[in-house]
Amino acid sequence: EAGVTQFPSHSVIEKGQTVTLRCDPISGHDNLYWYRRVMGKEIKFLLHFVKESKQDESGMPNNRFLAERTGGTYSTLKVQPAELEDSGVYFCASSPRVGRGEQFFGPGTRLTVL
Amino acid sequence: QKEVEQNSGPLSVPEGAIASLNCTYSDRGSQSFFWYRQYSGKSPELIMSIYSNGDKEDGRFTAQLNKASQYVSLLIRDSQPSDSATYLCAVNMPGGYTNAGKSTFGDGTTLTVKP
Repeated sequence: EAGVTQFPSHSVIEKGQTVTLRCDPISGHDNLYWYRRVMGKEIKFLLHFVKESKQDESGMPNNRFLAERTGGTYSTLKVQPAELEDSGVYFCASSPRVGRGEQFFGPGTRLTVL
Repeated sequence: QKEVEQNSGPLSVPEGAIASLNCTYSDRGSQSFFWYRQYSGKSPELIMSIYSNGDKEDGRFTAQLNKASQYVSLLIRDSQPSDSATYLCAVNMPGGYTNAGKSTFGDGTTLTVKP
């Protein structure tokens, strides 16, 4: 069974540019999550999709971040325009169920904004 | 106060010793508790989950949960150099809550097992 995949693995952009991160969850997992870890801080929740619907987007930092999951399969996270403080590692995770179920993490995308 | 706090590291133990990692959480309604292991530059990997008070053992790993004290710990017996990693404690609300999918993480404790 393939795990969670993320693309790209690394992205270096300049402040003000746009970046789109992609996540492919484990097949059959309805729940998809985005997290990020900025330098020196803990992993923080961004949002949770159940199929194509946003269940919880309480962690999205501001309206420069837009997440979509059209068709309930893969998801994209767009940052527009990127700021220096957006640098960090963006993790995607998926799970078959919520609450008691564990989340399976992807390898992450390391985003550097210069 | 952080929602999930882990004992400050780094923690260094000799090979074969018991490593003890601790975590406290602030939300008394939390229901699910997880320990992840993260090697440098890699993604978090779930190693233990616990939902009820008491101990849960899986191989060399034992998770302990005390909801009254809002405390969860991870013991690693017969520590090996390959256990050297950052250990992350994560906490979730019960299923049925809108935010049940949100895992709240601690900062992590870096463990080094010396041969």
